[in-house]
Amino acid sequence: DAKTTQPNSMESNEEEPVHLPCNHSTISGTDYIHWYRQLPSQGPEYVIHGLTSNVNNRMASLAIAEDRKSSTLILHRATLRDAAVYYCILRTQGGSEKLVFGKGTKLTVNP
Amino acid sequence: EAGVTQFPSHSVIEKGQTVTLRCDPISGHDNLYWYRRVMGKEIKFLLHFVKESKQDESGMPNNRFLAERTGGTYSTLKVQPAELEDSGVYFCASSLLGTGGTEAFFGQGTRLTVV
Repeated sequence: DAKTTQPNSMESNEEEPVHLPCNHSTISGTDYIHWYRQLPSQGPEYVIHGLTSNVNNRMASLAIAEDRKSSTLILHRATLRDAAVYYCILRTQGGSEKLVFGKGTKLTVNP
Repeated sequence: EAGVTQFPSHSVIEKGQTVTLRCDPISGHDNLYWYRRVMGKEIKFLLHFVKESKQDESGMPNNRFLAERTGGTYSTLKVQPAELEDSGVYFCASSLLGTGGTEAFFGQGTRLTVV
């Protein structure tokens, strides 16, 4: 399974932007880049995904490097509710398409 | 629209007993996955159904675990007999069939404690 590398933890202040980095140097051409997050005592929650182009949705933006070996999840204005563990996951087309979770980045949002 | 539902939310059983976890996926989702997080560890994949067929069960830890998805709707995960190391949170997820770009929806999880 393709691997991703994320910082163990990051801190942000409320209402400031947050940039969560992810390295995936072994990504293949058919791998989608997915981001999920897990709030305390809840199941993982989908945030965003992309293949080659940058993506925006109501929750966040995903910036993908031109060589696709890294990506950045952008939360434009962090809120206290955004405090969670964020997982960057490569999801391969075909096969079981299972999600392979790493340790993720624990985001702390300060009021 | 109802999300992924898991039952029970918590279960405490004694070592050697049997426990059955249930997952109701979102209606129309052919993909159904089971994952678990053992305390202090990462979330690990257990198995994947497409409709009623097991697509990938490479993550099942041993033959004490049996998953079924009769009729391609809800799924059950039975642990028999349960051991102490089976304690953890079991998550179920479902998604539409796709090509890697589909969103997986997770349930709230079942916290299993084996004493």
